[in-house]
Amino acid sequence: DGGITQSPKYLFRKEGQNVTLSCEQNLNHDAMYWYRQDPGQGLRLIYYSQIVNDFQKGDIAEGYSVSREKKESFPLTVTSAQKNPTAFYLCASSMAPTGNSPLHFGNGTRLTVT
Amino acid sequence: QQQVKQSPQSLIVQKGGISIINCAYENTAFDYFPWYQQFPGKGPALLIAIRPDVSEKKEGRFTISFNKSAKQFSLHIMDSQPGDSATYFCAASIQGAQKLVFGQGTRLTINP
Repeated sequence: DGGITQSPKYLFRKEGQNVTLSCEQNLNHDAMYWYRQDPGQGLRLIYYSQIVNDFQKGDIAEGYSVSREKKESFPLTVTSAQKNPTAFYLCASSMAPTGNSPLHFGNGTRLTVT
Repeated sequence: QQQVKQSPQSLIVQKGGISIINCAYENTAFDYFPWYQQFPGKGPALLIAIRPDVSEKKEGRFTISFNKSAKQFSLHIMDSQPGDSATYFCAASIQGAQKLVFGQGTRLTINP
């Protein structure tokens, strides 16, 4: 089945450590996205990538970094500079820019930093 | 101008009733308005979407109503069922743009 795989489902880290969240898609989609979900705040865009080796900052990129070395993969690193990293992180992909085609989401990674 | 404001934050409806969730926007350049449904522990999934050239779109028990002059759109769930209990997000974007702007979400509970 085609889809987006995020791993792990739950992740625990100590404050001050960088952590990388995995996102893999087999939908052959060009565009990929990372969103952060917090209660009462909806989904906020962290980074997005339209093609391999290219990505742009979203609305809340500070303290995060990404890479897009392969079409299928778009890992997100939460760095120690992110002041409030505990959240539910969602990866998504789309065939075309979001105005033209729907977003397909993975099932998320819940990150807890203590 | 890029915000989409969604209300209510939470909603409880009896089985068989009508659930209504409202969204408002400011940016008149928005021309694509999807709704996403999210079950606990899962990612959101596209439920239904509308473009501003129509005032209403219906898919089964789900209907989007769109009021261009008021810059508002709403989701109506007819004959609400316990299986509809989920968080619903409205969103908006400009066709061809990469960024989809989401509302704050509504947690819907359908009581049996």
